[in-house]
Amino acid sequence: ETGVTQTPRHLVMGMTNKKSLKCEQHLGHNAMYWYKQSAKKPLELMFVYSLEERVENNSVPSRFSPECPNSSHLFLHLHTLQPEDSALYLCASSQDLASYEQYFGPGTRLTVT
Amino acid sequence: KNQVEQSPQSLIILEGKNCTLQCNYTVSPFSNLRWYKQDTGRGPVSLTIMTFSENTKSNGRYTATLDADTKQSSLHITASQLSDSASYICVVSAANDYKLSFGAGTTVTVRA
Repeated sequence: ETGVTQTPRHLVMGMTNKKSLKCEQHLGHNAMYWYKQSAKKPLELMFVYSLEERVENNSVPSRFSPECPNSSHLFLHLHTLQPEDSALYLCASSQDLASYEQYFGPGTRLTVT
Repeated sequence: KNQVEQSPQSLIILEGKNCTLQCNYTVSPFSNLRWYKQDTGRGPVSLTIMTFSENTKSNGRYTATLDADTKQSSLHITASQLSDSASYICVVSAANDYKLSFGAGTTVTVRA
């Protein structure tokens, strides 16, 4: 295990639903990340938090809303998603932004119907 | 624009055989290159990391090489095992930039 956990592991939701993804890291890291991984495509960086402050919002649609209440927890709130949002959503953490070593969680497999 | 290209997209090998995966990048200024292994249903896990001055790094049956002049890296898997079936992702870091550049990955399937 990498020390980064994500729940739920699988999620199926309709386009009108509201759901949240949760990430928790037990490594004492100060930076956390959300990535989207679609089949046969490189990981796409969505959001970056450093010391609970958002430092990156990579042109992500507003139907994705991140929240970082403390340095150990990261949420991704979802609402009115589209079928093309179906993907694996990965959370990662690193000691700080200057550290290139990122530790990934197992991901949440999201299916939008 | 920083890019990472991996080849082949997928490959199938018989258990016990060797294989080599390729990674070409345009990331500049270069800081380091990592190979990650991602099992189905899991997040990526780092296998090796190489900086500019390193040209070979091993982790068990995995050996990574780096040619910083040609901006190419390879990952060689020796005596493959069924557990090597996974996606292998090349990730390159630019100096002074926390954003990583990811390849699309190579899916390796090892068959008995």
